[in-house]
Amino acid sequence: DAGVTQSPTHLIKTRGQHVTLRCSPISGHKSVSWYQQVLGQGPQFIFQYYEKEERGRGNFPDRFSARQFPNYSSELNVNALLLGDSALYLCASSLGMNTEAFFGQGTRLTVV
Amino acid sequence: GEDVEQSLFLSVREGDSSVINCTYTDSSSTYLYWYKQEPGAGLQLLTYIFSNMDMKQDQRLTVLLNKKDKHLSLRIADTQTGDSAIYFCAESGEDNQGGKLIFGQGTELSVKP
Repeated sequence: DAGVTQSPTHLIKTRGQHVTLRCSPISGHKSVSWYQQVLGQGPQFIFQYYEKEERGRGNFPDRFSARQFPNYSSELNVNALLLGDSALYLCASSLGMNTEAFFGQGTRLTVV
Repeated sequence: GEDVEQSLFLSVREGDSSVINCTYTDSSSTYLYWYKQEPGAGLQLLTYIFSNMDMKQDQRLTVLLNKKDKHLSLRIADTQTGDSAIYFCAESGEDNQGGKLIFGQGTELSVKP
């Protein structure tokens, strides 16, 4: 069975640009969450989606947005990129809202 | 507020036991998790414990929970060089949602042959 898949694996963008990151959850999982992991720190929660609705949002600016599609895959969008947005972006899927989360390999975003 | 703290580094010899400690602040958390992250990789769920349990054992891994002190530990028996990685403690927070986790900074475990 496929685990959580994220694309792309690596990405380089210029300040001010926009980026879209994609995530496919484990088959049958209905919840997707996004995390930002800056080098040397633990992951920070950005969003949780369950059944296509936003169920939680972390302390991130409005430049960050996300959505979940009918097939439960998800996109994370970041506008007006800053150098400080450089990080590993992790997607996690869970069966429901209150079950253990399984992570993908992440997308390494570098903003130059 | 919600906060999870871990010591940053731990070094052990191959074959010894490793104990990684974590303290958390949100007493309403239902679940507490341990994840492993190898260089350049995502997070691997190792184990988790419900807040109404004191201990959970899973092969070489033993999790101990002291709710009174809000202290969580992960013991790895017979530590191997392949166990070298960063270990993250995480709590589910007051909403008790499995997908919304609060992580510590991670403990880097170095296993020397």
